[in-house]
Amino acid sequence: EIVLTQSPATLSLSPGERATLSCRASQSVGNYLTWYQQKPGQAPRLLIYDTSRRATDIPARFSGSGSGTDFTLTISSLEPEDFAVYFCQQRSNWPTHFGGGTRVEI
Amino acid sequence: EVHLVQSGRNLVQPGGSLRLSCAASGFTFNDYWMTWVRQAPGKGLEWVANINRGGTVQYSADSVKGRFTVSRDNARNSLYLHMTSLRAEDTAVYYCARDAVAGRYYDSWGQGTLVTVSS
Repeated sequence: EIVLTQSPATLSLSPGERATLSCRASQSVGNYLTWYQQKPGQAPRLLIYDTSRRATDIPARFSGSGSGTDFTLTISSLEPEDFAVYFCQQRSNWPTHFGGGTRVEI
Repeated sequence: EVHLVQSGRNLVQPGGSLRLSCAASGFTFNDYWMTWVRQAPGKGLEWVANINRGGTVQYSADSVKGRFTVSRDNARNSLYLHMTSLRAEDTAVYYCARDAVAGRYYDSWGQGTLVTVSS
C-alpha cells in the first residue's frame, strides 16, 4: 500500500500570494499523481492529472510538478475562490489512495 | 455536459442495508469505468469500489469487501452501491465518480449522498 503524505496540513495565505502544496509518496508512483480541489459542501474537482496536466477549464495559475515520490501543486497567485482543501491521489498501484489533504485558508 | 446525480440523504441502523443510486447523463455511460469514493465527516477521501464498462468486473476496498457490492445498469445509465451489514464507521458522504479514460483518476463527480449509520 502506498501512503501519500500531504504538507502542510493548513496553509494560511492572502489573495495574490503564491501557494506551494506538497505530496510525498511512500514509494515511487512514477508520474501517476493527481490533484483535486474540494470546497465546503461540494464534491472534489479534478485539477491536475499525471503530475502536471491541467484538467479541462482549470486556470493556468494551477501547476503541478514532481516525479517518483515528491510532488508539488503550485497556485501562482491565489484568487478568493482558490481557498479550499486540496487532495493528492496516486494511481500507480492498486488500490488507489488519497492523501490527507491540505487546507488553504485566508 | 457530464452530470452525475445521486440519491438523497439516508439514515440507517447498524446492521441495516441500503442501495445508493447515481444517474449519469451527458456522456456515453457504457464507455466508462465508474467508481464510488467516500468521505467520513471531516476526513479525507477513501476509494470504495469500482466497476468496469460492461458491469462484469468489480473491485472493492478491504474495508467493505463482502458487505458492499457495486453494480450498473447501462440501459438506464445508472450506477448503484448495495450496502449491507452497515456499521457506524460507514457513516460518510458517498460520491459516485467517472473514471478518466486513462483509468484510476476521476474526472467527474456526483454531488454526494450522506449515509448516516446510527441507532
